[in-house]
Amino acid sequence: EAQVTQNPRYLITVTGKKLTVTCSQNMNHEYMSWYRQDPGLGLRQIYYSMNVEVTDKGDVPEGYKVSRKEKRNFPLILESPSPNQTSLYFCASSRWGEGYFYGYTFGSGTRLTVV
Amino acid sequence: AQRVTQPEKLLSVFKGAPVELKCNYSYSGSPELFWYVQYSRQRLQLLLRHISRESIKGFTADLNKGETSFHLKKPFAQEEDSAMYYCALIMDSSYKLIFGSGTRLLVRP
Repeated sequence: EAQVTQNPRYLITVTGKKLTVTCSQNMNHEYMSWYRQDPGLGLRQIYYSMNVEVTDKGDVPEGYKVSRKEKRNFPLILESPSPNQTSLYFCASSRWGEGYFYGYTFGSGTRLTVV
Repeated sequence: AQRVTQPEKLLSVFKGAPVELKCNYSYSGSPELFWYVQYSRQRLQLLLRHISRESIKGFTADLNKGETSFHLKKPFAQEEDSAMYYCALIMDSSYKLIFGSGTRLLVRP
């Protein structure tokens, strides 16, 4: 089944303790992206990647890192989490084809709480 | 700056009534527009993309470049349509999806 898989689904951590949220897709998509979803603010892009070893900042990159060493994986790293990073995080992937953008396929989300 | 506006935070209708979820965008180029749906506690799912002009679950959306709108419509709402709906825009030759703030559709029995 074609899908984007995120882990973990839920995570509670303490301020300053480094964590990684994994994301993997099995559709051979070039594009991958991370979004966070907050009440009243909607979905905001954190980082995106056009392909292996090509990443760039989205709208709210502060406090986050990403890497794209393999096409299928795009982990989100919080080096020193803070309470304002408590949010629902979504990973997504997509591709261009036949002259148009297919639209992102989203993972199930990771609910992160930083205390 | 490119923007997507969904003016209604909440739209409440009765089952069987027509539904129109509004979406306006600001972008001077050739946008690609999408509607995503998020059912309670679930992932965002692609509902429609304007390029394919399809109808999914009875929903349709037409791109009106003159009015810069991409409203989502359904002639007869069902209770299972209750969800959050997000309009999104991708600029030509880009990959960055810009979301509107979302509209919660509540279909009452």
